Order: sequence, then structure tokens, then C-alpha cells
Amino acid sequence: AIQMTQSPSSLSASVGDRVTITCRASQDIRNDLGWYQQKAGKAPKLLIYAASTLQSGVPSRFSGSGSGTDFTLTISSLQPEDFATYYCLQDLHYPRVFGQGTKLEIK
Amino acid sequence: EVQVVESGGGLVQPGGSLRLSCATSGFTFSNYWMTWVRQAPGRGLEWVANIKEDGNLKYYVDSVKGRFTISRDNPNNSLFLQMNSLTVEDTAVYFCARDLTPTTSGVFYDALDVWGQGTKVTVSS
Repeated sequence: AIQMTQSPSSLSASVGDRVTITCRASQDIRNDLGWYQQKAGKAPKLLIYAASTLQSGVPSRFSGSGSGTDFTLTISSLQPEDFATYYCLQDLHYPRVFGQGTKLEIK
Repeated sequence: EVQVVESGGGLVQPGGSLRLSCATSGFTFSNYWMTWVRQAPGRGLEWVANIKEDGNLKYYVDSVKGRFTISRDNPNNSLFLQMNSLTVEDTAVYFCARDLTPTTSGVFYDALDVWGQGTKVTVSS
């Protein structure tokens, strides 16, 4: 199965900061990658699909980039509601695989 | 309103069985792939299985192959996960999720855009 390596596993940042989370696939997944946000005790929420397409209703401070094996999620200016755990998910090959998650905490 | 609601979780002994259900509404269920995702306590998300809109294709993560069966009832807009030979490693919250785009659309994206609140499965003696 494809391995998805997400980094960092945790990150401390302040409101207004720009943060970047990366996800690396063990083989080429074209642009078949999504980014999800999960808050404690809640279901995940789709932020980005097809590596760089913003899901409807998601604030424009979120952006995604990359193709092939290397992908990034960027939050341009952190807001208080952005502190959560973020996951990537490759949706090209079976089985689908999530990254291990990045917990974004308030500094 | 588009909605998916899981049910059927509970406490089961190792080696036991459980059947999860996911009731859907607000969209044409028979046009969408559907997925089960789980999350063990304090752990990350794990993709478990998905099923094609007509039920004719099913995929599983290796750790559940031969033990779990995903199925659907399109006339009743429902998704199921039959779980047999359960082990403590299957303890998790199980989420039902819908694909972003229907297979009837021109461009198909396999991202998961509608999620339920999850149903908790505890495997313990």
C-alpha cells in the first residue's frame, strides 16, 4: 500500500501566522489528494480536493499545492478556529491512505 | 439538507460481530460511492472500505479483508458495514462518508465531503 508521510506531526503557531503542512506519498498519486480538518470529537471536514481545489464554503486563507509525490497545505493567516488536526488523504490507489495527521496548537 | 447518520455501534466481545448502518438523506444516494472511515481512541483516521454506487465494486483496507463486508441498499438510501471476528484493534469511532461528486457528473472526484457524526465500537471482554 502507498504510504503517506505527513509533517510535522504537531505545530505550535500564533493567530495571524502563516503555516505550511506537507504530505509526501511513497509513489506518484498525480493530484489525487485531499486535505481534511478535524476538531476534537467532531467529524473531519473536507478543505481541499484534487490537491489544490478549495471546497465550497472553505475560507480562502486555506490553499493546497503539489502533484506527484509532494503536497502542501498552507494557511495564510491563522484564525482561532483553525486550531485543529489536519490530515491528507490519497484517493488514487487502493487502499486509500490518510497521513498520520498534524496537530496545530496555539502558541 | 444533505445528511448521513451512523448507528449500530456498541460494546462487543472479541470474536463477536456487529453491523453498522448509515442512513442518508438529501441527495440521490444511488449516484454516489460511499466510504467507511474509522478512528481508534487518540489515533488518526484510517480508511476502511468503500463501495461503488451500484454495489458492484468494493475495496477494503488489508486489516479488515475477510472480516468486514460493506454493502448498500439503494432503495432505502442506506449503507452498511458488517463486522465479524472483531478484535480489540477494531475499537474505534466509525464514520460514514459520501464522495464529493456523483458518478453521473462529468468530472469525478473521490474526496469525502459529507460525513456523519460517527458511531463508537468498543471491542472488549
